[in-house]
Amino acid sequence: AQSVTQPDIHITVSEGASLELRCNYSYGATPYLFWYVQSPGQGLQLLLKYFSGDTLVQGIKGFEAEFKRSQSSFNLRKPSVHWSDAAEYFCAVGFMDSNYQLIWGAGTKLIIKP
Amino acid sequence: ETGVTQTPRHLVMGMTNKKSLKCEQHLGHNAMYWYKQSAKKPLELMFVYSLEERVENNSVPSRFSPECPNSSHLFLHLHTLQPEDSALYLCASSQTSGTTYNEQFFGPGTRLTVL
Repeated sequence: AQSVTQPDIHITVSEGASLELRCNYSYGATPYLFWYVQSPGQGLQLLLKYFSGDTLVQGIKGFEAEFKRSQSSFNLRKPSVHWSDAAEYFCAVGFMDSNYQLIWGAGTKLIIKP
Repeated sequence: ETGVTQTPRHLVMGMTNKKSLKCEQHLGHNAMYWYKQSAKKPLELMFVYSLEERVENNSVPSRFSPECPNSSHLFLHLHTLQPEDSALYLCASSQTSGTTYNEQFFGPGTRLTVL
C-alpha cells in the first residue's frame, strides 16, 4: 500500500539556522509531491509541489525541496529559518491513478528557538 | 470573502445533537473535499465531490452525511456522534482535470468537540 513517512514528529532549530524536514514515500512510480504548512488555528497552505522536470523545486517563503527518486524522498529545506516559520509541516503524495486522493504524512512540528 | 471559508470555526455538541458544518469556496473550483484532522495522525480524507457528484467515500461512518448542492458549497451533516469524532474538520477545493493533478486549497477548519 502507498504510504508517506515523516520520521520527525518535532524538530527544534535556532532562529537563523538551516532546516531540513524529511519525507519518504512508498510507491512504485513517480508520484506527485507536495509540502503544506499549517500555522496554529489555520488551514493548510501549499509551500511547493513537484510533478516532473527539475528535481529541485522552489516554493514560497524561501523554502525548497528536492526529489530524490533513488531514495523515494522529498525533503524540505530552508537555509535560514525565521521565528514566523514555527508551524506544522505536512508532506503529501498524489498518485496517478487518482486525481483526488492524497496520502498524507503525520506532520512535523517545527519549533524555533530565539 | 476569498479562498475557502468554513463555519462555524468551533462547535461543541452532545452525542445526541444534530449539527452541520458549512464550507464555501470562492475560487471557481470544481472539486471539494472533507478531511478529518486528529492530533498526531495523518489527514484522513472523508469525502470528495467533483462537479457536485460524490467520487470518494473513504469508509466514513453513516453518522457523517455530506451534501454538495452546487460547486461552491459543501456541507457535512452530523448526528449521534461519538467522543472519538472530536477533531478539526477541514474543507478543501481544487480544480481537477483528467490529466493534471492540482493543488488543494484549504479552509481554516471547524474545531469539533463531542461531549
